Amino acid sequence: AQRVTQPEKLLSVFKGAPVELKCNYSYSGSPELFWYVQYSRQRLQLLLRHISRESIKGFTADLNKGETSFHLKKPFAQEEDSAMYYCALTQGGSEKLVFGKGTKLTVNP
Amino acid sequence: GAVVSQHPSWVICKSGTSVKIECRSLDFQATTMFWYRQFPKQSLMLMATSNEGSKATYEQGVEKDKFLINHASLTLSTLTVTSAHPEDSSFYICSASAGAGYNEQFFGPGTRLTVL
Repeated sequence: AQRVTQPEKLLSVFKGAPVELKCNYSYSGSPELFWYVQYSRQRLQLLLRHISRESIKGFTADLNKGETSFHLKKPFAQEEDSAMYYCALTQGGSEKLVFGKGTKLTVNP
Repeated sequence: GAVVSQHPSWVICKSGTSVKIECRSLDFQATTMFWYRQFPKQSLMLMATSNEGSKATYEQGVEKDKFLINHASLTLSTLTVTSAHPEDSSFYICSASAGAGYNEQFFGPGTRLTVL
């Protein structure tokens, strides 16, 4: 069965430091990978998806099929980046999202 | 942007009663809506997928007779928790998709259900 693993429940960095949120997946096909973000007291929202190959709010994520990873990176973290981040995938054209357990990022001043 | 609302945002009910949660897509037609459950400090677990005008598809382990889902129109899906018990207390979140070609789900703000 497909699975998304986010090994870090909590991640704390200082403002201006680089940040990397790890995500590994297990799926035999060609999944589509997403990062969703949930700021405090707000709804879940899409941050970025691998097929777009875009940078949103300074975040990037590269799909590494060899390592089955889709780590989220930002070179200089900001306090407003503090949030809960979820990695997710869809499989084979399905719209069903499979979520990881999430990583709570705290950016300290 | 696409907006999804949920009502109510929170509800407290007595054990044995039924509770209905509404999910609406406000500015687009949602061909597919999804219902998730989120336990404290845990991830979202997909409960069921509903397509307008057809029966919902439930994930393994989700009791379809307990969690009744109706997707009567392209802008409204409802989740009814029947004969609620304290273990049903949770955060229920819906999302809506305009279709597979868009491949993006827009999430509602969630409904906190507490069963006493």
